[in-house]
Amino acid sequence: GAGVSQSPSNKVTEKGKDVELRCDPISGHTALYWYRQSLGQGLEFLIYFQGNSAPDKSGLPSDRFSAERTGGSVSTLTIQRTQQEDSAVYLCASSASPQKYPNYGYTFGSGTRLTVV
Amino acid sequence: GQNIDQPTEMTATEGAIVQINCTYQTSGFNGLFWYQQHAGEAPTFLSYNVLDGLEEKGRFSSFLSRSKGYSYLLLKELQMKDSASYLCAVRAFSGGYQKVTFGTGTKLQVIP
Repeated sequence: GAGVSQSPSNKVTEKGKDVELRCDPISGHTALYWYRQSLGQGLEFLIYFQGNSAPDKSGLPSDRFSAERTGGSVSTLTIQRTQQEDSAVYLCASSASPQKYPNYGYTFGSGTRLTVV
Repeated sequence: GQNIDQPTEMTATEGAIVQINCTYQTSGFNGLFWYQQHAGEAPTFLSYNVLDGLEEKGRFSSFLSRSKGYSYLLLKELQMKDSASYLCAVRAFSGGYQKVTFGTGTKLQVIP
């Protein structure tokens, strides 16, 4: 697509429920990133997919968080047994391969605002 | 790990010039980015530096000194629409991956 698409744009869920957040990157972008941003805070790295390589999961805050990227395109971030501290805006970004195009920045989606009540 | 420092807030006057500084400490440095983020919106890419020196792009310029772990974003002829947060982000090799870490951002307010 023309840009990075995320869905849903807003999600309110009850504490303890599981949620799935979807990201559809720009066609042809091999790199995909998930970040989260709490109110007034910076972007916290979660996970990074690059082509067919094993993802960098070093930013996932707990084992309740997982992500997958099917067919090198769409990615789903899953949060199990949600907690109130999971409330944040979850941002997905994609880019061309940083190895081939290091000077290209990320293109971010509009984010999913998750509220755990 | 990485440590990125930026001022929290700045105020500048419409038509003026403002410089937003960023200092960082990292190993495996592989580039520095600046992003603009308007309130309630996603960040948008502004500039990239990997070599020392100044990169100019219209009203925006970005400078890098790798030896000093220092960068700045220079905004000229400020406009009201430039009111936003400006995020400094550093890319570095870590654990076999290239990871980009963002600073907490500098909130710039442009006043008439």
